[in-house]
Amino acid sequence: TQLLEQSPQFLSIQEGENLTVYCNSSSVFSSLQWYRQEPGEGPVLLVTVVTGGEVKKLKRLTFQFGDARKDSSLHITAAQPGDTGLYLCAGAVQMDSNYQLIWGAGTKLIIKP
Amino acid sequence: SQTIHQWPATLVQPVGSPLSLECTVEGTSNPNLYWYRQAAGRGLQLLFYSVGIGQISSEVPQNLSASRPQDRQFILSSKKLLLSDSGFYLCAWDWGADGDTQYFGPGTRLTVL
Repeated sequence: TQLLEQSPQFLSIQEGENLTVYCNSSSVFSSLQWYRQEPGEGPVLLVTVVTGGEVKKLKRLTFQFGDARKDSSLHITAAQPGDTGLYLCAGAVQMDSNYQLIWGAGTKLIIKP
Repeated sequence: SQTIHQWPATLVQPVGSPLSLECTVEGTSNPNLYWYRQAAGRGLQLLFYSVGIGQISSEVPQNLSASRPQDRQFILSSKKLLLSDSGFYLCAWDWGADGDTQYFGPGTRLTVL
């Protein structure tokens, strides 16, 4: 069974602080995605990382894929209340002729003004 | 552009009653389709996925079933709901390729009383 563990499960910090959330597995993924979900809505893709060691930046968000493509991190600089949400990572694995996503349980992030 | 619709948005049903949730995709053909269930503030549990008309794979044995009568239509059903069926149900689509974004519908909030 392939598992993706996300940590922490819950994080509440003040506006302006930095934070890092983690996504770890013993499995190798061909690619890994980060999504953000707001209450009552479906998840929306933030970024896809494909190459081991890859770093992608999206404004104040920095995403890194581990060298062995088994883990990833999301770092937010100077967090803002608009960053509040559930952050989900999902790793792609090949199943027959298709790729499927294995989902982490999510990190619930609250940024207090 | 592609859009994905789900209905109803909210549903309150008594234990033992039947269920039918519908998902349709517009603007694409032959997508992979997915049904997920999500507990409050937590990750996604894959229930069913389909790579084509009439092709359904079940990930979790339970009293739910899925059907794909048309290329862009995916239906989640139950003959008799249980209390434990309560949750947020999300439909999603992608093309099943590595690194593909999964696009989610707005979700259905199901409460079984």
